[in-house]
Amino acid sequence: GQQLNQSPQSMFIQEGEDVSMNCTSSSIFNTWLWYKQDPGEGPVLLIALYKAGELTSNGRLTAQFGITRKDSFLNISASIPSDVGIYFCAGLYNFNKFYFGSGTKLNVKP
Amino acid sequence: SAVISQKPSRDICQRGTSLTIQCQVDSQVTMMFWYRQQPGQSLTLIATANQGSEATYESGFVIDKFPISRPNLTFSTLTVSNMSPEDSSIYLCSVTGPEGEKLFFGSGTQLSVL
Repeated sequence: GQQLNQSPQSMFIQEGEDVSMNCTSSSIFNTWLWYKQDPGEGPVLLIALYKAGELTSNGRLTAQFGITRKDSFLNISASIPSDVGIYFCAGLYNFNKFYFGSGTKLNVKP
Repeated sequence: SAVISQKPSRDICQRGTSLTIQCQVDSQVTMMFWYRQQPGQSLTLIATANQGSEATYESGFVIDKFPISRPNLTFSTLTVSNMSPEDSSIYLCSVTGPEGEKLFFGSGTQLSVL
C-alpha cells in the first residue's frame, strides 16, 4: 500500500503559538484530507483539498495541497487548549482508496 | 455530510466471545467501510462493505474473523468473532461523500477484550 509520512509525531506548545504539521508521500494523491480525533471519538474531517496548490482555511486552520500532489501541510494559528488531540492526514489514491498518516499528537499548555 | 451512528459506543468483552457492531447512516451512501484503530495507532482498513454481496477484505483480515453484513444502503454490521485481547481497538464505520473524495467517520466503538 501507499505510505504517508506524517510529522512531527507529537508537539508540546504554549497556548497562543502557531503549529505546523505535514504529510509527504512518494506517490501522487487525488485528494488530501485533514482530521482531528479526540480521545474515544472517531476522526472529524477538518479540511479537504482537491487541487494541486490549493490553499484552504477553516477558521484558525489552514491547509495546502502540495504542487507535486505528493504532500500537504496543516497550520493552526493562535492555538487554544481545545486544539489538543491527534491530527491525521489522509490521501485518496487512484480515486479508489484512502491512506492515513500515523498522526500528530498535539498538546497545548495553557 | 451524512450523520453516522454507531453502537455500542464501547464494550468490555470476554475472550472467546463475539461482538456485533452496528452502523446506521441517515442517508443512502454507496461506499461504506470498516476501520480498526489499535491503541496509539493510525487507522487500518478492514473491509469495504458491499450492499447485497460479500464484503471486500484487505490483506490480513478474513471473513471468518470479521463477518460483515450490508443489507441496504444505510446500514451495516461488523462482527468481531472469537475475540482475544489483541482485538482490543476502536472500530470505526465510515462512508464517502457523494463524489467519493471525502471520508466521514462514525463516533467509533471502543472494544476491550479481557
